Amino acid sequence: KNEVEQSPQNLTAQEGEFITINCSYSVGISALHWLQQHPGGGIVSLFMLSSGKKKHGRLIATINIQEKHSSLHITASHPRDSAVYICAVLNYGGSQGNLIFGKGTKLSVKP
Amino acid sequence: KAGVTQTPRYLIKTRGQQVTLSCSPISGHRSVSWYQQTPGQGLQFLFEYFSETQRNKGNFPGRFSGRQFSNSRSEMNVSTLELGDSALYLCASSLPAAGDTGELFFGEGSRLTVL
Repeated sequence: KNEVEQSPQNLTAQEGEFITINCSYSVGISALHWLQQHPGGGIVSLFMLSSGKKKHGRLIATINIQEKHSSLHITASHPRDSAVYICAVLNYGGSQGNLIFGKGTKLSVKP
Repeated sequence: KAGVTQTPRYLIKTRGQQVTLSCSPISGHRSVSWYQQTPGQGLQFLFEYFSETQRNKGNFPGRFSGRQFSNSRSEMNVSTLELGDSALYLCASSLPAAGDTGELFFGEGSRLTVL
């Protein structure tokens, strides 16, 4: 069993829909990252959180440490949101680079 | 402010050769980490450097090595290349001295093809 599980693996939505991507993990963590990867490879860090909730524009990330679960929400989705979204956790005692990654959720938003 | 720069962006090698990839972090960032991304395994952590010292290493064979220079630029080397080493190699830099938590800034990656 992977230490970081994401669902769904693939997601197709219509423009304007509310989207939720889930991430569950089985290890103790000090932080969780949500990353976005567009075709071509470049990765952008969307959020880093260790508790509660963060919001940036149309994106909201939440984490429940007790339940070992995080969600990424996209409100009013747009075709430019089409990308792979990756959850990554930083193990307790691990330094910055020692991340464990989920397999990613491929999002396609249709106009 | 310039982002993280990786060179080369694309390269093709043959089995048995070696390759060196370079990563220049954002100015002022002292932590550089390296990752391998393949369709089968996804993203996997290779190693992390901070102030010229390897701070952590992932579960990769000794053919994978790296180093960091005094200006924080980092290189990774893969010797005796195998077909399975074909991948996108990404580096990321971050600012915090403590190294535990901090936003990661990724480069565009170096896409290696081994024939």
